[in-house]
Amino acid sequence: QKEVEQDPGPLSVPEGAIVSLNCTYSNSAFQYFMWYRQYSRKGPELLMYTYSSGNKEDGRFTAQVDKSSKYISLFIRDSQPSDSATYLCAMSRMDSSYKLIFGSGTRLLVRP
Amino acid sequence: DADVTQTPRNRITKTGKRIMLECSQTKGHDRMYWYRQDPGLGLRLIYYSFDVKDINKGEISDGYSVSRQAQAKFSLSLESAIPNQTALYFCATSPANTGELFFGEGSRLTVL
Repeated sequence: QKEVEQDPGPLSVPEGAIVSLNCTYSNSAFQYFMWYRQYSRKGPELLMYTYSSGNKEDGRFTAQVDKSSKYISLFIRDSQPSDSATYLCAMSRMDSSYKLIFGSGTRLLVRP
Repeated sequence: DADVTQTPRNRITKTGKRIMLECSQTKGHDRMYWYRQDPGLGLRLIYYSFDVKDINKGEISDGYSVSRQAQAKFSLSLESAIPNQTALYFCATSPANTGELFFGEGSRLTVL
């Protein structure tokens, strides 16, 4: 079983929809949780970074961590065609914050 | 210019050939990483380096070697390439003590 599970999609939504992307994990020692966005033929770029449980909001993006359920989510409000990309979750332990474990990524397509 | 530059961007080679992928960065970060990305498997860590004299194996280092020539340069070598090393390779950098990775645009390697 993988340490981090992520539905590969693709997820296709109309412009303006609310998008929910999710990851589950098995290692309760994970403390740092991240979401990266990867456009086609590009490297991943950091979108959201949270520590431990709770919510974090940045513009149209909200990251949510539920450590009791070992479940993290990324919500995108008012989705735009420019949000079409692959979204990768990543997480790490406090004692080795540099060793990220990545999910396999969810491909999102926002239709105009 | 990109902060993290990888060369070559694309390479096709034959089984048994030696291949070097190069990475240079202008971000001033001490930490550098090599990842490979495969469909359905996400990003997996090959090697990482915290400074010029510090090199560490990641989760999938077999068949690979690295060299940290300077703070800004980190190269990945495949001594004798094999077809299952066909993948997209990413170099990344990070500041100390964070999981925020800054990726290059990737090097697509095909081994025939």
